[in-house]
Amino acid sequence: GAVVSQHPSRVICKSGTSVKIECRSLDFQATTMFWYRQFPKKSLMLMATSNEGSKATYEQGVEKDKFLINHASLTLSTLTVTSAHPEDSSFYICSIGQGRNTIYFGEGSWLTVV
Amino acid sequence: ILNVEQSPQSLHVQEGDSTNFTCSFPSSNFYALHWYRWETAKSPEALFVMTLNGDEKKKGRISATLNTKEGYSYLYIKGSQPEDSATYLCAFTNQAGTALIFGKGTTLSVSS
Repeated sequence: GAVVSQHPSRVICKSGTSVKIECRSLDFQATTMFWYRQFPKKSLMLMATSNEGSKATYEQGVEKDKFLINHASLTLSTLTVTSAHPEDSSFYICSIGQGRNTIYFGEGSWLTVV
Repeated sequence: ILNVEQSPQSLHVQEGDSTNFTCSFPSSNFYALHWYRWETAKSPEALFVMTLNGDEKKKGRISATLNTKEGYSYLYIKGSQPEDSATYLCAFTNQAGTALIFGKGTTLSVSS
């Protein structure tokens, strides 16, 4: 069964609005979760590392005020795309790690900003 | 900048054909190489994690090899079946517990 649940799988929002994507660890506690984004024909690119109880670490070029990450519990991390623009339309996916090498992914979320 | 390259980008084979893909990654500061199988609308499914030079792993008809000195890994599928149709991603990490760096994937289509 699924280890990581991501919701919603698809969302359409209007420009200027905010949308929240949830990543939930179902089987174990996750102190760290990763958020990735994939544009068409591109690799999955790390956006940020979500740390439970502390601020997320953002990759270069990713605006922390635009992509708000909250990791308030050991089983839930949320990514909020604020003031969304059409260029934010993309595929967003989260992952969690267990042990040193085991990594599980959510199902991903398709965001379309119109 | 750490870069992972996969080739080919896509390929189409007939049922029963064997095929292989390549993943190239930085050979310095290597920690682990992951292969994932990703079907549309599903989570990427972990196939293999390899950490040692010369590692060979096998799961059914799928196998993978690793050369950390020259920075490449091969994924082999023997006797392809339509259900093997998916995108195969490789990902590299240079440190335990850190995020993965992905290639763009190889999309395989198997016709019956």
